[in-house]
Amino acid sequence: AQKITQTQPGMFVQEKEAVTLDCTYDTSDPSYGLFWYKQPSSGEMIFLIYQGSYDQQNATEGRYSLNFQKARKSANLVISASQLGDSAMYFCAMRANQAGTALIFGKGTTLSVSS
Amino acid sequence: NAGVTQTPKFRILKIGQSMTLQCAQDMNHNYMYWYRQDPGMGLKLIYYSVGAGITDKGEVPNGYNVSRSTTEDFPLRLELAAPSQTSVYFCASSSMPGQGHHEQYFGPGTRLTVT
Repeated sequence: AQKITQTQPGMFVQEKEAVTLDCTYDTSDPSYGLFWYKQPSSGEMIFLIYQGSYDQQNATEGRYSLNFQKARKSANLVISASQLGDSAMYFCAMRANQAGTALIFGKGTTLSVSS
Repeated sequence: NAGVTQTPKFRILKIGQSMTLQCAQDMNHNYMYWYRQDPGMGLKLIYYSVGAGITDKGEVPNGYNVSRSTTEDFPLRLELAAPSQTSVYFCASSSMPGQGHHEQYFGPGTRLTVT
């Protein structure tokens, strides 16, 4: 069965500091994709970053990077130079290709950035 | 492009009533999805569609029906609403696998309360 685990219900960070949000996954499918979405208090889901299981390098998108450790089945999101606008819920999600195209989501981590 | 649009934004239903949540996308995506998000939880898949005329059940389909007569529209029907269906409903769409990262684009959500 496919599963995503986010063990940090809440994280706190000060502006301009870096923060790591943890995500572990479980799948027996050799081909899969890992996603991070941001959900601000307004409720919309915003796509942040993607990592494919066969990608050799860790994905980066601006201040977001994905620390992909395949052997440990972890896909942690690193946000550098945190900003107040980064305060939101963050979801890790997986698409296991043999299981179809839908996403399986973790329960999320609430990030609070203070000044 | 408007992306993925959903109507209504909010709705209160009485137990036993029915309603249709509307979803439309203008990105010419073949794949569309309906998720629900319960408080403090990640999203769970209700139904999905890989093209006009083709739909399939997700993890939590009971109490819902869908249809896909056009590429653009993917309405979700609630029959005999129950308090357990109180949730936020998200519609999403994506391109076909193999096209980019195949990330899903989400609508703004519909907040439904059944009392």
